[in-house]
Amino acid sequence: DTEVTQTPKHLVMGMTNKKSLKCEQHMGHRAMYWYKQKAKKPPELMFVYSYEKLSINESVPSRFSPECPNSSLLNLHLHALQPEDSALYLCASSRGTGGISYNEQFFGPGTRLTVL
Amino acid sequence: QQQVKQSPQSLIVQKGGISIINCAYENTAFDYFPWYQQFPGKGPALLIAIRPDVSEKKEGRFTISFNKSAKQFSLHIMDSQPGDSATYFCAASRGPNDYKLSFGAGTTVTVRA
Repeated sequence: DTEVTQTPKHLVMGMTNKKSLKCEQHMGHRAMYWYKQKAKKPPELMFVYSYEKLSINESVPSRFSPECPNSSLLNLHLHALQPEDSALYLCASSRGTGGISYNEQFFGPGTRLTVL
Repeated sequence: QQQVKQSPQSLIVQKGGISIINCAYENTAFDYFPWYQQFPGKGPALLIAIRPDVSEKKEGRFTISFNKSAKQFSLHIMDSQPGDSATYFCAASRGPNDYKLSFGAGTTVTVRA
């Protein structure tokens, strides 16, 4: 299995809602990432988990809360979002064990989030 | 501040032609340079990657050329096909302990049949 899967594909939520995005990989990767991508822009890194521990938080607002329940799963909990948070949210994974190929990040298809 | 500068922003090529995308960087600590291909509504897919100890890498119709002294690298798409129409991002990262990818701004390639 060489895929990163994400659910849901699309999500529409109001500013007072609480929702979660899910990501799963079964490649044995030990690093998992959340990115935000606006239209016609490159992905922007939000969080990195390495061996199930939060390794990088790129000063993301607290209305985004990541969680890594185990080495295969990554969640992003959303609460009190703003319309400007509407974007494609991408999950990625990599080996995370060092060596030549560890930086190879494999992306999921993304969740298209619309905040009303 | 964008650490990797990518050009052009967009390009149109005829079927069978060559698409060339250029990237430049300043940080000499970068030692891994991947290219990602992204179709509309999809996540980026790793296309090909190169390390600085190699000046060229070819995979099928896709070739990366790397010029370490100029701090530049480029993607050539040979015999471009309509199915190659996508946005291409170059990226760079530092050594084994760096999880961050610095992305270029992206190039939208349109291949006309």
